[in-house]
Amino acid sequence: NAGVTQTPKFRILKIGQSMTLQCAQDMNHNYMYWYRQDPGMGLKLIYYSVGAGITDKGEVPNGYNVSRSTTEDFPLRLELAAPSQTSVYFCASSKGTDTYGYTFGSGTRLTVV
Amino acid sequence: QKEVEQNSGPLSVPEGAIASLNCTYSDRVSQSFFWYRQYSGKSPELIMSIYSNGDKEDGRFTAQLNKASQYVSLLIRDSQPSDSATYLCAVSPGGFKTIFGAGTRLFVKA
Repeated sequence: NAGVTQTPKFRILKIGQSMTLQCAQDMNHNYMYWYRQDPGMGLKLIYYSVGAGITDKGEVPNGYNVSRSTTEDFPLRLELAAPSQTSVYFCASSKGTDTYGYTFGSGTRLTVV
Repeated sequence: QKEVEQNSGPLSVPEGAIASLNCTYSDRVSQSFFWYRQYSGKSPELIMSIYSNGDKEDGRFTAQLNKASQYVSLLIRDSQPSDSATYLCAVSPGGFKTIFGAGTRLFVKA
């Protein structure tokens, strides 16, 4: 059982470039999330989805976009990368709402230079 | 005031001792509380959840919740060097929102 799979694990982008971070889960979870984690800071929610075709902004959505065409996949798109987007990105999924914890992917370490 | 506060540490304890990790939160309507363990360079892993006042035990881990004081803690008994990690407290006020603390680094000395 793979759980939550994220690709790539590492990436270096130049300022202004774009990329898509991939996330897939095989647990049939409806709820999926994208977080970023910066040193000394808690995880910050970028976007979340409660099911296929439904997405919504978290607390730090600027510079990002998402889509959810299937239950399994929840890619995160970075447009016009900026140094402030240098971070570790985690995708997570959950069986339900607040009473269920999250299963996290292994993360993507992104550096924008 | 941060919504979920944790001492960043590091908290250093000898092997076999009890490690006590603490967390306070600001939203009184919070209903669900979680502890995640994150090894260096890895992703967070859920280790405990608690929803009611009191203690919840799972193996060497005990989560304690006091909603009146807006305080949640994690006790690790018989601490092992393999417990050395950052422990994230997470609080959910309901719905789709979960707020994470910045974490406490724990170091267990052999």
